[in-house]
Amino acid sequence: GDSVTQMEGPVTLSEEAFLTINCTYTATGYPSLFWYVQYPGEGLQLLLKATKADDKGSNKGFEATYRKETTSFHLEKGSVQVSDSAVYFCALSGGATNKLIFGTGTLLAVQP
Amino acid sequence: DVKVTQSSRYLVKRTGEKVFLECVQDMDHENMFWYRQDPGLGLRLIYFSYDVKMKEKGDIPEGYSVSREKKERFSLILESASTNQTSMYLCASSYTTYPYEQYFGPGTRLTVT
Repeated sequence: GDSVTQMEGPVTLSEEAFLTINCTYTATGYPSLFWYVQYPGEGLQLLLKATKADDKGSNKGFEATYRKETTSFHLEKGSVQVSDSAVYFCALSGGATNKLIFGTGTLLAVQP
Repeated sequence: DVKVTQSSRYLVKRTGEKVFLECVQDMDHENMFWYRQDPGLGLRLIYFSYDVKMKEKGDIPEGYSVSREKKERFSLILESASTNQTSMYLCASSYTTYPYEQYFGPGTRLTVT
């Protein structure tokens, strides 16, 4: 069945460092891909999305490109801030069920 | 902006109590979902609904039931709360059209003692 694999955390970075969180997927057909962010004690917020191959989703300085040839959707940010500390979830949708398949989440901790 | 609200942010209940968690969305979404989130286990789908009075089991429905009498409201019911149901509960909603992105509420942290 469809699945999402994302890198284990926690990822600890210093402020202004470059961020990459890896996400790969397995899916039949052509899924849409998402990154969600969860700040401490909050629900998940949609961060960005891409709906077809080579699409680049972007928001708040974060970017991810839908790579069909490598089945990947890695999240990147050029310069992280302490306020980016959160858990990041990669997810995909597709098929007839309207459900999302989530990765296990990656905790990012940014130190000043 | 889509708004999904949950009735409580924090809830403490005793073992054996009947517990109701309420979720309301204001975007006329057809789909609504209940998840629980536990450390190390990620998000797990409990139940979802794609229309009023319709429901389908998710991955972990045991010990839970749901009710959807109106399109905007989806309730999760713990018939007899147990300590292993202590968790963060998240509600979400979405349209039935592609790409099916879901919008989440702030969550309810339930503690069963």
